[in-house]
Amino acid sequence: SQQGEEDPQALSIQEGENATMNCSYKTSINNLQWYRQNSGRGLVHLILIRSNEREKHSGRLRVTLDTSKKSSSLLITASRAADTASYFCATDGYSNTGNQFYFGTGTSLTVIP
Amino acid sequence: DTEVTQTPKHLVMGMTNKKSLKCEQHMGHRAMYWYKQKAKKPPELMFVYSYEKLSINESVPSRFSPECPNSSLLNLHLHALQPEDSALYLCASSQFYTDTQYFGPGTRLTVL
Repeated sequence: SQQGEEDPQALSIQEGENATMNCSYKTSINNLQWYRQNSGRGLVHLILIRSNEREKHSGRLRVTLDTSKKSSSLLITASRAADTASYFCATDGYSNTGNQFYFGTGTSLTVIP
Repeated sequence: DTEVTQTPKHLVMGMTNKKSLKCEQHMGHRAMYWYKQKAKKPPELMFVYSYEKLSINESVPSRFSPECPNSSLLNLHLHALQPEDSALYLCASSQFYTDTQYFGPGTRLTVL
């Protein structure tokens, strides 16, 4: 079963606007990662944030992590049509069977030129 | 070289066929993964190999049989699949388990 839930499920914005997507998870984690997937292709790693970090930046990406709320957000600033893709969070969490790695349900982002 | 390669790109097979999917990486990564992804769903972890040993099997049916011949190669042997097994099969590798994963482009499998 999956550990992470993302919202919104789908998001449509105009080019140049900012896009924010959220991820909630259930157990304690070592780290949380965000991946992008263009339609029917492999996933591309975007950013990794460790459990002792609260915010991380990479280019136009900003990720926050709130371990007390078990949630993370991904902000893409100044969006471009090429950002159109599905975005998944992934958690490295603890369970009674050991470390488990799960992807969230994903957010489908459409950036309209 | 930060690439994970997968072959074939597409595969169509009947329910009585035996086929194999292949995955290769030359990044020196010690963890390799197989995922199954249905349309508009997140990838579901199937198997993890860590240091060439099967460390995670997420209750996958025995008609899927993984194999890790060496640290660079990962195979997924398929036998007697069902139509509901049709999906995109993704391979990934990482330095260590749960580290940043590098994904291949996937194999689109159709079971007739």
